[in-house]
Amino acid sequence: QKEVEQNSGPLSVPEGAIASLNCTYSDRGSQSFFWYRQYSGKSPELIMFIYSNGDKEDGRFTAQLNKASQYVSLLIRDSQPSDSATYLCAVHGGNKLTFGTGTQLKVEL
Amino acid sequence: ETGVTQTPRHLVMGMTNKKSLKCEQHLGHNAMYWYKQSAKKPLELMFVYNFKEQTENNSVPSRFSPECPNSSHLFLHLHTLQPEDSALYLCASSQGGGGAFFGQGTRLTVV
Repeated sequence: QKEVEQNSGPLSVPEGAIASLNCTYSDRGSQSFFWYRQYSGKSPELIMFIYSNGDKEDGRFTAQLNKASQYVSLLIRDSQPSDSATYLCAVHGGNKLTFGTGTQLKVEL
Repeated sequence: ETGVTQTPRHLVMGMTNKKSLKCEQHLGHNAMYWYKQSAKKPLELMFVYNFKEQTENNSVPSRFSPECPNSSHLFLHLHTLQPEDSALYLCASSQGGGGAFFGQGTRLTVV
């Protein structure tokens, strides 16, 4: 079992819709959870972090964490073409940060 | 001055060359990482340093040799690489359980 799992996609959503990206992790002792956005040919950029169960909102982004189910998600409201990128889930535990394989998001006009 | 700076941005080297990648972080973080990202593949963790001590070596071939002289600087020494080592090499730093901040990467081509 992979430590951090994501559906590779591509996930296609129309402009203005809500994009929902999901991630599961295997280490129950994990404490910190992150979402990164990576445009093609660029380095990953940290866009959200969450430490506690529940929802955390920042602008059009909402991160959701459910530690009992070992599940993290990212919602993007009012999706824009500029949101088209690969979204990486990362989990911090055991003194290291582990990334999922990423989900490619395509926002279509 | 950006948070994490990598040099060079691009590097072309022959299989018999020796070169080094440099990373410097200005964020006061205590952990630094090297990741490899090949075309259309996920990030692969290579090495982790916490407070200058190597805490993770993810079964990386010995032709890659990391060096961390202090908490702000990280090097990746390269020698006798193979064409399949061509990739984007990313350095990152973090503090405690916080998120990692990445440099812009070095695009390496081995010919």
